[in-house]
Amino acid sequence: QKEVEQNSGPLSVPEGAIASLNCTYSDRGSQSFFWYRQYSGKSPELIMFIYSNGDKEDGRFTAQLNKASQYVSLLIRDSQPSDSATYLCGFQKLVFGTGTRLLVSP
Amino acid sequence: DAGVIQSPRHEVTEMGQEVTLRCKPISGHDYLFWYRQTMMRGLELLIYFNNNVPIDDSGMPEDRFSAKMPNASFSTLKIQPSEPRDSAVYFCASSPSGGVQTGYEQYFGPGTRLTVT
Repeated sequence: QKEVEQNSGPLSVPEGAIASLNCTYSDRGSQSFFWYRQYSGKSPELIMFIYSNGDKEDGRFTAQLNKASQYVSLLIRDSQPSDSATYLCGFQKLVFGTGTRLLVSP
Repeated sequence: DAGVIQSPRHEVTEMGQEVTLRCKPISGHDYLFWYRQTMMRGLELLIYFNNNVPIDDSGMPEDRFSAKMPNASFSTLKIQPSEPRDSAVYFCASSPSGGVQTGYEQYFGPGTRLTVT
């Protein structure tokens, strides 16, 4: 079992919809989680991090952490075409998922 | 702040040649990371440093790979001899603080696209 698993997608949503990206992890001792956005041909860019169970909101982005179920989610409200990118989740052990490609259509 | 700087941005070399990738982290950041990204394997950590000292090099694929950080503002990743399977994008990242318990807020450089023919 991989330490971090993500659906590779693509996840297609229409403009204005909510995009939901999920990540599961195997290490129950994990405490901190990070979401990075990577545009095609560019480097990963940190957009959110979360340490505690529950939700963390930053603008249109909400990260959700459920340690009991070992998953972390990223919700993007009012999705825009500019949100089209690959989203990587990672955790404190410096391991990343392979990323979910998000496509937002106008 | 200029962000993390990497050079060269593109490198094409022949199998067997030595390749040196360079990185300048963000000033004041105590941690420096080297990653490799391919379509098949995703983003993989190769090695990371804390205050110029290598902390974990378990991701370095084999002895052909070596990394140094002679001072707080410069690091190199060397591949000698290079092989076609080393073709990938190599990223350098830095972090102001962190640890195994809290994780790291990493800022990535633009990457070096390496092609070994």
